[in-house]
Amino acid sequence: DAEITQSPRHKITETGRQVTLACHQTWNHNNMFWYRQDLGHGLRLIHYSYGVQDTNKGEVSDGYSVSRSNTEDLPLTLESAASSQTSVYFCASSARGPTEAFFGQGTRLTVV
Amino acid sequence: GQNIDQPTEMTATEGAIVQINCTYQTSGFNGLFWYQQHAGEAPTFLSYNVLDGLEEKGRFSSFLSRSKGYSYLLLKELQMKDSASYLCAVSDYKLSFGAGTTVTVRA
Repeated sequence: DAEITQSPRHKITETGRQVTLACHQTWNHNNMFWYRQDLGHGLRLIHYSYGVQDTNKGEVSDGYSVSRSNTEDLPLTLESAASSQTSVYFCASSARGPTEAFFGQGTRLTVV
Repeated sequence: GQNIDQPTEMTATEGAIVQINCTYQTSGFNGLFWYQQHAGEAPTFLSYNVLDGLEEKGRFSSFLSRSKGYSYLLLKELQMKDSASYLCAVSDYKLSFGAGTTVTVRA
């Protein structure tokens, strides 16, 4: 069965370190998204991609970067982790067009 | 940008009906989605409306009025397992979410 997986599921890191969260989907979807979820804010879009070599900034992109070298993966990098980036991160993918998005199980990141 | 509003919390009794409203103001619109999210889990798709009117799927129905920037999700015959957050999301190919409505079902 096709799926979307995130790793790691939990991570604790120190302020200032570079961190990369992995997202891998086997749906062969063109669209991939990264969200963060915090109490009171819901899901906020960090970065998104509509295909290989395409990346776009979302509403809360400062301090984050992504790259899309193949269809299956969209890793999210925190260049220099800050305590404000402590959150639950969700990756999602969808087929071309306004179709439902499928979400990974999330990564809980704590920056100390 | 997108501005999406929904109530923060709602409480209802098992077997009852609950209606979750969502209003939106958007710069682009390709449809409105509803997702369910249980605590500690990923959001899962419930419904999609792109045209005005009511879409029914078992105990769940969703309504859209594009001219009013308004949608609602109707949950009928509430069960304890329906206790969750319900997320309204507007699509302009990428999804923008409201903050979510936490529904608590009481026995």
